Amino acid sequence: GAVVSQHPSWVICKSGTSVKIECRSLDFQATTMFWYRQFPKQSLMLMATSNEGSKATYEQGVEKDKFLINHASLTLSTLTVTSAHPEDSSFYICSARDGGQGNNQPQHFGDGTRLSIL
Amino acid sequence: DAKTTQPNSMESNEEEPVHLPCNHSTISGTDYIHWYRQLPSQGPEYVIHGLTSNVNNRMASLAIAEDRKSSTLILHRATLRDAAVYYCILRDLNSGYALNFGKGTSLLVTP
Repeated sequence: GAVVSQHPSWVICKSGTSVKIECRSLDFQATTMFWYRQFPKQSLMLMATSNEGSKATYEQGVEKDKFLINHASLTLSTLTVTSAHPEDSSFYICSARDGGQGNNQPQHFGDGTRLSIL
Repeated sequence: DAKTTQPNSMESNEEEPVHLPCNHSTISGTDYIHWYRQLPSQGPEYVIHGLTSNVNNRMASLAIAEDRKSSTLILHRATLRDAAVYYCILRDLNSGYALNFGKGTSLLVTP
Protein backbone atom coordinates (compact mmCIF):
# COMPACT_ATOMS: atom_id res chain seq x y z
CA GLY A 1 0.00 0.00 0.00
CA ALA A 2 0.88 3.66 -0.25
CA VAL A 3 3.50 4.74 2.25
CA VAL A 4 4.34 8.19 3.51
CA SER A 5 7.60 8.60 5.36
CA GLN A 6 8.08 11.51 7.71
CA HIS A 7 11.43 12.50 9.17
CA PRO A 8 12.54 13.10 11.83
CA SER A 9 10.23 11.28 14.22
CA TRP A 10 11.11 13.64 17.02
CA VAL A 11 13.31 16.61 17.56
CA ILE A 12 14.33 18.64 20.58
CA CYS A 13 16.00 21.96 20.05
CA LYS A 14 16.64 25.31 21.63
CA SER A 15 14.38 28.30 21.22
CA GLY A 16 15.25 30.34 18.14
CA THR A 17 16.34 27.35 16.08
CA SER A 18 14.80 26.57 12.71
CA VAL A 19 13.64 23.01 12.22
CA LYS A 20 12.95 21.24 8.94
CA ILE A 21 10.56 18.30 8.68
CA GLU A 22 10.48 16.12 5.58
CA CYS A 23 7.51 14.24 4.18
CA ARG A 24 8.09 11.73 1.40
CA SER A 25 5.72 9.57 -0.59
CA LEU A 26 7.64 6.35 -1.13
CA ASP A 27 5.67 4.52 -3.79
CA PHE A 28 3.38 7.06 -5.40
CA GLN A 29 3.40 10.58 -6.75
CA ALA A 30 1.86 13.02 -4.33
CA THR A 31 0.38 15.89 -6.27
CA THR A 32 -1.03 17.35 -3.06
CA MET A 33 0.36 17.20 0.44
CA PHE A 34 -1.11 18.47 3.67
CA TRP A 35 0.44 19.58 6.93
CA TYR A 36 -1.37 19.21 10.22
CA ARG A 37 -0.54 20.15 13.78
CA GLN A 38 -1.83 18.37 16.85
CA PHE A 39 -1.52 19.59 20.41
CA PRO A 40 -1.83 17.13 23.32
CA LYS A 41 -5.33 15.75 23.85
CA GLN A 42 -6.60 17.66 20.82
CA SER A 43 -7.52 16.78 17.28
CA LEU A 44 -5.52 17.44 14.14
CA MET A 45 -5.70 20.93 12.76
CA LEU A 46 -4.92 21.60 9.12
CA MET A 47 -2.12 24.10 8.70
CA ALA A 48 -1.62 24.22 4.95
CA THR A 49 -2.14 22.51 1.65
CA SER A 50 0.68 22.28 -0.84
CA ASN A 51 0.53 21.37 -4.49
CA GLU A 52 3.65 20.30 -6.30
CA GLY A 53 5.34 23.20 -8.02
CA SER A 54 3.16 25.93 -6.57
CA LYS A 55 2.91 27.96 -3.39
CA ALA A 56 1.20 26.45 -0.37
CA THR A 57 -2.23 27.56 0.75
CA TYR A 58 -2.29 28.33 4.46
CA GLU A 59 -5.25 28.07 6.78
CA GLN A 60 -6.43 31.15 8.58
CA GLY A 61 -4.24 31.96 11.56
CA VAL A 62 -1.20 30.05 10.33
CA GLU A 63 1.78 32.32 9.67
CA LYS A 64 3.27 31.52 6.30
CA ASP A 65 6.54 33.23 7.16
CA LYS A 66 6.84 31.11 10.28
CA PHE A 67 5.93 27.79 8.70
CA LEU A 68 7.68 27.56 5.36
CA ILE A 69 6.41 24.83 3.07
CA ASN A 70 8.20 23.61 -0.02
CA HIS A 71 6.78 21.01 -2.39
CA ALA A 72 9.38 20.99 -5.13
CA SER A 73 8.87 17.42 -6.30
CA LEU A 74 6.06 14.90 -6.55
CA THR A 75 7.52 12.84 -3.73
CA LEU A 76 8.79 15.40 -1.24
CA SER A 77 7.35 18.23 0.80
CA THR A 78 9.15 19.99 3.61
CA LEU A 79 7.90 22.09 6.50
CA THR A 80 10.38 24.45 8.12
CA VAL A 81 9.47 25.96 11.46
CA THR A 82 11.53 29.13 11.51
CA SER A 83 12.85 30.59 14.75
CA ALA A 84 10.90 28.06 16.77
CA HIS A 85 9.68 28.94 20.26
CA PRO A 86 8.22 26.78 23.02
CA GLU A 87 4.66 27.51 21.88
CA ASP A 88 5.53 25.83 18.56
CA SER A 89 6.07 22.54 20.38
CA SER A 90 3.55 20.13 18.94
CA PHE A 91 3.02 16.96 16.91
CA TYR A 92 3.33 17.77 13.20
CA ILE A 93 1.79 15.34 10.73
CA CYS A 94 1.86 15.30 6.96
CA SER A 95 -0.41 13.51 4.56
CA ALA A 96 -0.36 12.98 0.84
CA ARG A 97 -2.82 12.42 -1.93
CA ASP A 98 -1.98 10.06 -4.73
CA GLY A 99 -2.33 12.04 -7.94
CA GLY A 100 -2.81 8.86 -9.93
CA GLN A 101 -5.93 7.88 -8.06
CA GLY A 102 -9.46 9.19 -8.28
CA ASN A 103 -10.69 12.24 -6.45
CA ASN A 104 -12.20 10.31 -3.58
CA GLN A 105 -9.29 8.13 -2.63
CA PRO A 106 -7.99 8.18 0.96
CA GLN A 107 -5.11 10.27 2.14
CA HIS A 108 -1.96 8.61 3.35
CA PHE A 109 -0.42 9.92 6.54
CA GLY A 110 3.09 9.99 7.90
CA ASP A 111 3.80 8.90 11.45
CA GLY A 112 4.29 12.45 12.62
CA THR A 113 7.13 14.50 14.07
CA ARG A 114 7.13 15.42 17.72
CA LEU A 115 8.76 18.81 18.08
CA SER A 116 9.86 20.04 21.48
CA ILE A 117 11.33 23.52 21.81
CA LEU A 118 13.20 24.22 25.03
CA ASP B 1 -17.57 20.31 5.12
CA ALA B 2 -20.61 19.40 7.20
CA LYS B 3 -20.10 18.69 10.87
CA THR B 4 -20.12 15.28 12.54
CA THR B 5 -20.92 14.32 16.13
CA GLN B 6 -19.32 11.34 17.84
CA PRO B 7 -19.25 10.13 21.45
CA ASN B 8 -16.09 11.19 23.23
CA SER B 9 -15.21 7.68 24.29
CA MET B 10 -16.34 4.07 24.13
CA GLU B 11 -15.16 0.88 25.71
CA SER B 12 -15.21 -2.66 24.40
CA ASN B 13 -14.04 -6.07 25.44
CA GLU B 14 -11.47 -7.83 23.34
CA GLU B 15 -12.84 -10.12 20.62
CA GLU B 16 -16.28 -8.54 20.77
CA PRO B 17 -17.86 -6.43 18.02
CA VAL B 18 -17.72 -2.66 18.36
CA HIS B 19 -20.21 -0.22 16.87
CA LEU B 20 -18.93 3.33 16.66
CA PRO B 21 -21.70 5.82 15.86
CA CYS B 22 -21.47 9.09 13.97
CA ASN B 23 -24.22 11.64 13.45
CA HIS B 24 -24.11 13.96 10.46
CA SER B 25 -27.58 15.44 10.18
CA THR B 26 -26.48 18.24 7.83
CA ILE B 27 -24.81 15.97 5.30
CA SER B 28 -25.18 17.00 1.69
CA GLY B 29 -25.71 14.79 -1.30
CA THR B 30 -22.09 15.10 -2.38
CA ASP B 31 -20.53 14.39 1.03
CA TYR B 32 -18.67 11.13 1.36
CA ILE B 33 -18.36 9.61 4.83
CA HIS B 34 -14.75 8.81 5.71
CA TRP B 35 -13.38 7.06 8.77
CA TYR B 36 -9.81 7.32 9.95
CA ARG B 37 -8.23 6.15 13.17
CA GLN B 38 -5.20 7.35 15.06
CA LEU B 39 -3.20 5.06 17.28
CA PRO B 40 -1.21 6.67 20.09
CA SER B 41 1.76 8.71 18.88
CA GLN B 42 1.09 7.91 15.23
CA GLY B 43 -0.43 9.61 12.23
CA PRO B 44 -4.00 8.79 11.25
CA GLU B 45 -4.76 5.67 9.27
CA TYR B 46 -7.53 5.29 6.70
CA VAL B 47 -10.22 2.82 7.68
CA ILE B 48 -13.11 3.00 5.26
CA HIS B 49 -15.36 5.37 3.34
CA GLY B 50 -18.73 5.33 1.61
CA LEU B 51 -21.47 7.44 0.08
CA THR B 52 -24.83 5.69 0.33
CA SER B 53 -24.39 1.93 0.40
CA ASN B 54 -22.89 -0.10 3.20
CA VAL B 55 -19.22 -0.90 2.67
CA ASN B 56 -16.98 -3.71 3.84
CA ASN B 57 -13.22 -4.07 3.78
CA ARG B 58 -10.62 -6.08 5.62
CA MET B 59 -10.52 -3.64 8.51
CA ALA B 60 -14.16 -2.82 9.16
CA SER B 61 -17.68 -2.35 7.88
CA LEU B 62 -19.50 0.92 7.39
CA ALA B 63 -23.25 0.98 7.82
CA ILE B 64 -24.94 4.11 6.47
CA ALA B 65 -28.47 5.04 7.45
CA GLU B 66 -31.00 5.26 4.69
CA ASP B 67 -31.39 9.02 5.18
CA ARG B 68 -27.59 9.32 5.44
CA LYS B 69 -27.86 11.39 8.60
CA SER B 70 -25.90 8.88 10.59
CA SER B 71 -23.44 6.06 10.09
CA THR B 72 -21.81 3.35 12.14
CA LEU B 73 -18.32 1.97 11.91
CA ILE B 74 -18.29 -1.70 12.83
CA LEU B 75 -15.22 -3.54 14.04
CA HIS B 76 -16.25 -7.17 13.95
CA ARG B 77 -13.81 -8.46 16.57
CA ALA B 78 -11.99 -5.84 18.57
CA THR B 79 -8.37 -6.48 19.43
CA LEU B 80 -6.10 -4.55 21.75
CA ARG B 81 -4.46 -3.05 18.67
CA ASP B 82 -7.77 -1.43 17.74
CA ALA B 83 -7.52 0.94 20.70
CA ALA B 84 -7.34 4.33 19.01
CA VAL B 85 -9.19 7.56 18.35
CA TYR B 86 -11.67 7.04 15.52
CA TYR B 87 -12.59 10.01 13.38
CA CYS B 88 -15.73 10.26 11.26
CA ILE B 89 -15.22 12.91 8.57
CA LEU B 90 -17.45 14.19 5.82
CA ARG B 91 -15.68 15.20 2.67
CA ASP B 92 -17.28 17.02 -0.22
CA LEU B 93 -15.32 16.44 -3.40
CA ASN B 94 -16.24 19.91 -4.51
CA SER B 95 -14.45 21.55 -1.60
CA GLY B 96 -10.97 20.18 -2.05
CA TYR B 97 -9.09 17.25 -0.65
CA ALA B 98 -8.25 18.37 2.88
CA LEU B 99 -9.74 16.51 5.84
CA ASN B 100 -11.32 18.39 8.73
CA PHE B 101 -10.83 16.33 11.86
CA GLY B 102 -13.29 16.61 14.73
CA LYS B 103 -12.63 15.29 18.22
CA GLY B 104 -13.34 11.68 17.36
CA THR B 105 -14.16 8.75 19.63
CA SER B 106 -11.48 7.32 21.86
CA LEU B 107 -11.94 3.54 21.87
CA LEU B 108 -10.65 1.58 24.81
CA VAL B 109 -10.35 -2.16 24.38
CA THR B 110 -9.99 -4.25 27.49
CA PRO B 111 -8.73 -7.83 27.61
